[in-house]
Amino acid sequence: EAQVTQNPRYLITVTGKKLTVTCSQNMNHEYMSWYRQDPGLGLRQIYYSMNVEVTDKGDVPEGYKVSRKEKRNFPLILESPSPNQTSLYFCASSWGANTGELFFGEGSRLTVL
Amino acid sequence: AQSVTQLDSHVSVSEGTPVLLRCNYSSSYSPSLFWYVQHPNKGLQLLLKYTSAATLVKGINGFEAEFKKSETSFHLTKPSAHMSDAAEYFCVVSGGGADGLTFGKGTHLIIQP
Repeated sequence: EAQVTQNPRYLITVTGKKLTVTCSQNMNHEYMSWYRQDPGLGLRQIYYSMNVEVTDKGDVPEGYKVSRKEKRNFPLILESPSPNQTSLYFCASSWGANTGELFFGEGSRLTVL
Repeated sequence: AQSVTQLDSHVSVSEGTPVLLRCNYSSSYSPSLFWYVQHPNKGLQLLLKYTSAATLVKGINGFEAEFKKSETSFHLTKPSAHMSDAAEYFCVVSGGGADGLTFGKGTHLIIQP
């Protein structure tokens, strides 16, 4: 089954404690992206990757890091989480950046105390 | 530059009545347009897409949307609402350039029994 898998689905952590949200896709997609969803603000792009070893900033990259060492994986790293990073995070993948046909994971709800 | 405006943050209809979710866009290029649906605690799923072929686009679950260039609109409709349609709906534009995808802020569809 074609899918995008995120882990963890739910996480409560404290300010400053590094964490990683993993994302894996099994569709051989070249394009992967991270979004955060906040009430009233819709989805905002954090980082994206056009292919292996190619990553770029989205609209709200501050406080986040990513890596793309393999085609299937695109982890999101919060080196020193802060309360304003409390949000619902989605990973998505696609054949290309502008195809619009994104496949989304089920989301990771992160709370930073 | 491109943008998308979903004209209603919440829409409430009775089961069995028509649904209309409104979306206006702006784009410097000939855009591709998409509607996504997000059910509670789930990721986003593509409902339908317009990519410069037929202006009336049919999607899954009985939804359709009409691209109207003169009005810069891409409204989503369904003749008869079902309880399972209760969800968040996102309109998305892709101008094909460096802007990538731009998401609207979402419309929450409520179905009254």
